[in-house]
Amino acid sequence: EIVVTQSPATLSVSPGERATLSCRTSQTINSNLAWYQQKPGQAPRLLISGASTRATGVPARFSGSGSATEFTLTISSLQSEDFAVYYCQQYNNWPPITFGQGTRVEIK
Amino acid sequence: EVQLVQSTAEVKKPGESLKISCKVSGYTSTSYWIAWVRQMPGKGLEWMGAIHPSDSDTRYSPSFRGQVTISSDKSISTAYLQWSSLRASDTAMYYCGMGYDYSDYWGQGTLVTVSS
Repeated sequence: EIVVTQSPATLSVSPGERATLSCRTSQTINSNLAWYQQKPGQAPRLLISGASTRATGVPARFSGSGSATEFTLTISSLQSEDFAVYYCQQYNNWPPITFGQGTRVEIK
Repeated sequence: EVQLVQSTAEVKKPGESLKISCKVSGYTSTSYWIAWVRQMPGKGLEWMGAIHPSDSDTRYSPSFRGQVTISSDKSISTAYLQWSSLRASDTAMYYCGMGYDYSDYWGQGTLVTVSS
C-alpha cells in the first residue's frame, strides 16, 4: 500500500498571502495525484487531478505541481473561502487508493 | 448537471445490518467508478472501495475487505454500501464519489451512528 504523507498538519496564513502545502508518497506514482478541499460539514471538492490539472470551476489561484513522490498545492493569494482542510490522494495502480491525513489551512 | 444523492442518516444498534445508497443522475455513460469513503468524527478521509456499475467490477481496500459489501444496480444508477453486523466503530460519515480513478463528483454524505 502506498503511504501518503502531508505536511504541515496545520498552516496558519493571513488572507492575501501564499500557502504551500506538501504531499509525499512512499512510492513513485507518476502524476496520479489529486487534491481535494473540504470545508466543515461539506463533502470533499476536487481541486486538482493529474497532479496539476485544475478541475472545472476551480480558481486559477490554485495550482498543483510535482511528480514521482513529491507534490505541492499552492494557493497564490488566500481568500476567506479558502480556509479549509486539504487532502491529497494517490490513485496509481489501485486498489487501494490512499489519502494523506490532511492539512488544515487556518487564518493567522 | 451530475448529482450524487445519498440516503439519509441512520441510527442503528450494534449487531444490526444496514445498506446505504448513492444515486447518480445527470450522467449518461456507465463508464465510471463509484467509490465509498469513510470519515470518522474529526478525522480524515479513508478510501473503502469502489465499483464499476457497468460490469460490477468491485475493488476493496485491504482495510475494509470483509467488513463491508459494495454493490450496484445499473438499471437505477445506484450504488450501495452494506454492513451485515454493525459495530460502534462504524460510526462515521460515509461519502460516495464518482469518477474514473479520482472522484470528480461527490454525494452529500450519509451519517451512520451505531450506539446501544
